[in-house]
Amino acid sequence: DAGVIQSPRHEVTEMGQEVTLRCKPISGHDYLFWYRQTMMRGLELLIYFNNNVPIDDSGMPEDRFSAKMPNASFSTLKIQPSEPRDSAVYFCASSFFPNRLTTEAFFGQGTRLTVV
Amino acid sequence: AQTVTQSQPEMSVQEAETVTLSCTYDTSESDYYLFWYKQPPSRQMILVIRQEAYKQQNATENRFSVNFQKAAKSFSLKISDSQLGDAAMYFCAYRSAWTAGGTSYGKLTFGQGTILTVHP
Repeated sequence: DAGVIQSPRHEVTEMGQEVTLRCKPISGHDYLFWYRQTMMRGLELLIYFNNNVPIDDSGMPEDRFSAKMPNASFSTLKIQPSEPRDSAVYFCASSFFPNRLTTEAFFGQGTRLTVV
Repeated sequence: AQTVTQSQPEMSVQEAETVTLSCTYDTSESDYYLFWYKQPPSRQMILVIRQEAYKQQNATENRFSVNFQKAAKSFSLKISDSQLGDAAMYFCAYRSAWTAGGTSYGKLTFGQGTILTVHP
């Protein structure tokens, strides 16, 4: 498997524009996570899905942020409208259901978003 | 809600020496998993070591070992014989296990991270 694939790797956009980040999890994984990394806040959990269903979106900062998982092999994180304070690295991660044999999550390379 | 705290924003160590990174967590759950991830400048998140809460024995992976104190809710990482390639940001993470009636099973929460510098 190629691992978790995120696109794009880098995104530069103007304030007010819509931004869509994409993620393809590892095949067979039940869980998908979206994180945001900044120097000030570290690695924040935004939302996570189990079997394509959002379980906890309490970390989504505002209504400008939305995430979907239409099927087991694809997820999007959308910001509309984008603001300069949204500039960060956004990570997607996936995992199996945690049990005694498989517990860890695997991360994509991240998308560095810059809003100017 | 579970929280993870890393109180050391930065640490440094001389090559070949030993360094310990601290992590504490807050939870009311009895079953869970703990991890240390490494993030080098490449940005890739790499799993270093994992610990299951039900196991009393501390996990070890080559030069990396943990000191897991369940009652104190402490989970520190010890790096022995430090190498230049160990320089990175290190994250402590907590993952909820499945429990009957639980609502946060599978949730994976990270600490703020500790930047480790290794001096030659």
